[in-house]
Amino acid sequence: EVQLVESGGGWVQPGRSLRLSCVASGFTFDDYAMHWVRQAPGKGLEWVSSVSWNSVGLDYADSVKGRFTISRDNAKNSLYLQMNSLGPDDTALYYCAKGGGSGTKYHFDYWGQGTLVTVSS
Amino acid sequence: SYEVTQPLSVSVALGQTARITCGGNNITIKNAHWYQQKPGQAPVLVIYRDSNRPSGIPERFSGSNSGNTATLTISRAQAGDEADYYCQVRDSFWVFGGGTKLTVL
Repeated sequence: EVQLVESGGGWVQPGRSLRLSCVASGFTFDDYAMHWVRQAPGKGLEWVSSVSWNSVGLDYADSVKGRFTISRDNAKNSLYLQMNSLGPDDTALYYCAKGGGSGTKYHFDYWGQGTLVTVSS
Repeated sequence: SYEVTQPLSVSVALGQTARITCGGNNITIKNAHWYQQKPGQAPVLVIYRDSNRPSGIPERFSGSNSGNTATLTISRAQAGDEADYYCQVRDSFWVFGGGTKLTVL
């Protein structure tokens, strides 16, 4: 059974940093791309970032480019999102999602339950 | 940047057919994917690459993509189908539609 468990969310002041983690199990982690998607309270889904199986392919939404960094550690079956210079618009539930293939162009076939990030003074 | 448009809400009578659209410029050349999200839950993939159902998704869910519109069709709608539905396509990067709230009357 595929499982994705996010952690690292919490309350943070504007301008500060936070690092999210996602631990995967139930599949061969290094065969698949991984993604982060966020959802602000009461709003829709917003794609944030993607990483290919070998970390060569890296994509970022314009809203986070230059502030967020996605990475993965295939030895630890883990995905990360380093978030810097956080602002109130970054307040959201952050989901980790498994890609349907090794590259970043495939659909997202499994999602975690999310970790909540609140940016407020 | 590429944009996709969904209706905010769709209503369907119990047992009837619901159709949720996702509009985008020449969307037919892109693969459209659909996700179901129930309140307080993570999204679930219900259709990928326009018309393919993942294992475990009922045959009542189907998809199509032609011209400027991709469509998710839910036949014999059930109360349990009430949810938000999101379409997703890839242009230079991933794009989600704004979501459609399906109400089963």
